[in-house]
Amino acid sequence: GAVVSQHPSWVICKSGTSVKIECRSLDFQATTMFWYRQFPKQSLMLMATSNEGSKATYEQGVEKDKFLINHASLTLSTLTVTSAHPEDSSFYICSATPGGPDSYEQYFGPGTRLTVT
Amino acid sequence: TQLLEQSPQFLSIQEGENLTVYCNSSSVFSSLQWYRQEPGEGPVLLVTVVTGGEVKKLKRLTFQFGDARKDSSLHITAAQPGDTGLYLCAGNNAGNMLTFGGGTRLMVKP
Repeated sequence: GAVVSQHPSWVICKSGTSVKIECRSLDFQATTMFWYRQFPKQSLMLMATSNEGSKATYEQGVEKDKFLINHASLTLSTLTVTSAHPEDSSFYICSATPGGPDSYEQYFGPGTRLTVT
Repeated sequence: TQLLEQSPQFLSIQEGENLTVYCNSSSVFSSLQWYRQEPGEGPVLLVTVVTGGEVKKLKRLTFQFGDARKDSSLHITAAQPGDTGLYLCAGNNAGNMLTFGGGTRLMVKP
């Protein structure tokens, strides 16, 4: 149980284009999903918290107009990287919490490797 | 800002050796999770500790939560090459948000 999927697993795009990454909870409903970014050999950096039916909460330094998050249902959140630039190249990972606001365990997706050329 | 410091950052050992990874903070956490991540994949939850002083065992892995719930350790006995990976500790305090440590990259050589 508690399986989270991401699609695509990797994507290459040209500078200036937009890329959408999907995060799905396959066997549970997730009122909250999280989006992280990870650079090589580093830990995870939280980008934003996504709550179903409301606006995402972005961490300091993360541009909300560049990284658009939509949590339209209890099983799907999407991250759109708009007008991508090479410095946006990274490993993007989502996670989901199966419980309510007091649930503390997060289950992670397999990640999406974005390369912007 | 709550910070979690992990040590060591990198560890290279021979198969069969024991090792301990530490996760320390000046803040109190209501729970702490340990994850293992392999290259190109997402982190996989190993264990959650909640009670101060709690010890949990997962085969050759022993996890301990400090009495004051500010620190934790992961001890691996008789490490195997399959244990190679990035080990991450993450603390929870405010709702369901996690604060991640910097990670410990473990390499076990056969």
